[in-house]
Amino acid sequence: QQQVKQSPQSLIVQKGGISIINCAYENTAFDYFPWYQQFPGKGPALLIAIRPDVSEKKEGRFTISFNKSAKQFSLHIMDSQPGDSATYFCAASTSGGSYIPTFGRGTSLIVHP
Amino acid sequence: DAGITQSPRYKITETGRQVTLMCHQTWSHSYMFWYRQDLGHGLRLIYYSAAADITDKGEVPDGYVVSRSKTENFPLTLESATRSQTSVYFCASRETSGRAKNTGELFFGEGSRLTVL
Repeated sequence: QQQVKQSPQSLIVQKGGISIINCAYENTAFDYFPWYQQFPGKGPALLIAIRPDVSEKKEGRFTISFNKSAKQFSLHIMDSQPGDSATYFCAASTSGGSYIPTFGRGTSLIVHP
Repeated sequence: DAGITQSPRYKITETGRQVTLMCHQTWSHSYMFWYRQDLGHGLRLIYYSAAADITDKGEVPDGYVVSRSKTENFPLTLESATRSQTSVYFCASRETSGRAKNTGELFFGEGSRLTVL
């Protein structure tokens, strides 16, 4: 059973557009929701994270929106740039479970110039 | 160099052979993890370790063995490699004390690409 469902699998956006990646989870015990960014040939790196006590977190052009009742969260990339082209993974974990994350299957984002 | 390093970066082996992927971190992080990344499956946890001499299974542990005799090293062994174990393997670590205690952030190595023929 897939605990964290991520969509879409791939996304193509024009430069300057908005990229939106969605994730849904089942386990209501999850209380930490990070997004990781992975460039080709590299390991994933933490991009931004949110806890369920807030509905939105913004860092520069990257925003996480969180809907606790729907058990969904999403990553919005404003003014998308070619340098944002990467694979994005959402994840969920529990602080009581030592933050061991369960990852979504990833979204390959391509931003055309 | 400080950080988390994996070796080898690329490995080709044959079915039935034993392969060991090495992972070394210089931060003295408590937790270490092994993930495999496959197209369409994302990152799946193989094994993790909370401290030296403490290891536990993840989502896909079958066919793999780990050990952690020292905090900084966490090798992953495929005892008898199979074609289905062709994948990119990532090691990661996490700190559990001080400022990083409640962040949950994982630090990943650059991966080891394994091909089993």
